[in-house]
Amino acid sequence: DSGVTQTPKHLITATGQRVTLRCSPRSGDLSVYWYQQSLDQGLQFLIQYYNGEERAKGNILERFSAQQFPDLHSELNLSSLELGDSALYFCASSEPGTSGTEQFFGPGTRLTVL
Amino acid sequence: AQSVAQPEDQVNVAEGNPLTVKCTYSVSGNPYLFWYVQYPNRGLQFLLKYITGDNLVKGSYGFEAEFNKSQTSFHLKKPSALVSDSALYFCAVRDLRRNRDDKIIFGKGTRLHILP
Repeated sequence: DSGVTQTPKHLITATGQRVTLRCSPRSGDLSVYWYQQSLDQGLQFLIQYYNGEERAKGNILERFSAQQFPDLHSELNLSSLELGDSALYFCASSEPGTSGTEQFFGPGTRLTVL
Repeated sequence: AQSVAQPEDQVNVAEGNPLTVKCTYSVSGNPYLFWYVQYPNRGLQFLLKYITGDNLVKGSYGFEAEFNKSQTSFHLKKPSALVSDSALYFCAVRDLRRNRDDKIIFGKGTRLHILP
C-alpha cells in the first residue's frame, strides 16, 4: 500500500458527461501528479500540483482540469467525455523539497466511457 | 527535451535465468533515473533510482540497474528471474536542469514474461 488513495475505483459513464476523480496524497507529501494510462498511449503525464499551485503541465486536454485543495487532496475533472477518454487514471504524490524523490502511485481509477 | 525509450515491448525469460530490461534516455543535463513495476490492475510501484554515485543501483525484490553515462542507458537486471517477476516495467527520467517542476517522463513500458 503506497499511502495514496483514489476514488472511485471504477467509473462508467456516457459520452458527453462530466466526472470528477479524487486523490489523497501520502501524509506530508505536497506534490500531486495525474497520469492517464491507455493501451495505445502508454503512461501520459497530465498535470502536477505543488502545495495548491499548478507546477507542470503535460498532455492534458482543454476538456480536463485539475485542482489541489488546502488539505492537499486533488481532483481531476473530465468533461465532454469521449470514447477515447476511457483509460486508467493514476494519481501520484512525492515528498517536498527533494529533486530526486520518487513518486508513489495510487491504485488508479478505471474510467469507461460508453 | 527529455525522453526515455524502452526498445522492447516484451521480454521473455525462463525462470532461474538472468533478465535484462533495456532503457535509454535523453536529457539536457544530468539525469535522475527510475524504474517502476506495475502488476495487473495495480498502480505503479517504485523499484529503484539513480541520482548520483555508484553506477550500480540495488532496489526492491532483488532488482538492480546499471547507469551508463556514455551509452545513456539504465538497464534493469536481475540475476535469477522468478515467475512472480512477470509484470509491466517502466523506466523514467527527470532532467536535473528542470528546476521549476518535478516532471518525470515515463517510457512506454516493457512487459516481462517469466516462463516456468
